[in-house]
Amino acid sequence: DGGITQSPKYLFRKEGQNVTLSCEQNLNHDAMYWYRQDPGQGLRLIYYSQIVNDFQKGDIAEGYSVSREKKESFPLTVTSAQKNPTAFYLCASSPIGGANYGYTFGSGTRLTVV
Amino acid sequence: KQEVTQIPAAPSVPEGENLVLNCSFTDSAIYNLQWFRQDPGKGLTSLLLIQSSQREQTSGRLNASLDKSSGRSTLYIAASQPGDSATYLCAVTGGGADGLTFGKGTHLIIQP
Repeated sequence: DGGITQSPKYLFRKEGQNVTLSCEQNLNHDAMYWYRQDPGQGLRLIYYSQIVNDFQKGDIAEGYSVSREKKESFPLTVTSAQKNPTAFYLCASSPIGGANYGYTFGSGTRLTVV
Repeated sequence: KQEVTQIPAAPSVPEGENLVLNCSFTDSAIYNLQWFRQDPGKGLTSLLLIQSSQREQTSGRLNASLDKSSGRSTLYIAASQPGDSATYLCAVTGGGADGLTFGKGTHLIIQP
């Protein structure tokens, strides 16, 4: 079945450590997105990418970095510059003109600072 | 900047009741509106997508309406079941490249 796979499901980060969250899709979607979800908050956009080797900052990009070397993959790195990284991270994808077709989400990665 | 508002929690209700969840948005220039369901600790499951030119969409016991001019959408759940207990999120897009703007969700509990 086509879909979005996020891994790992749970991730623990030590202070000062960089960690990378994986997002892979086999939907042949051009656009991919990373959102952060905190308790009682709506989802907030971190980064998005419309095509390979191109990406843009969202509303809360500070302390995060991404790459888009393949159409299927959009990994997110949470760097040590992100002071409050504990949250639930969701990856999404859509076709170009995604507004016409809606967005598909992965099952999420819960990141905790220890 | 677009803002999406949802009532955070609905009172718990007994199963079998018909339910209405509301969503409002500040900028009526949306391209579409999408309703999602989220179970605890899980990702988002798309329920219904309404294009800006449409007034409503239906899927099984779910019906979503859209009134763009007034900045409102309603998700109607018929004959609610305990399995409908979840958080329901409303999101809009302006058709640009930067994805969806979300409300904070409405947490629903259906009692058996």
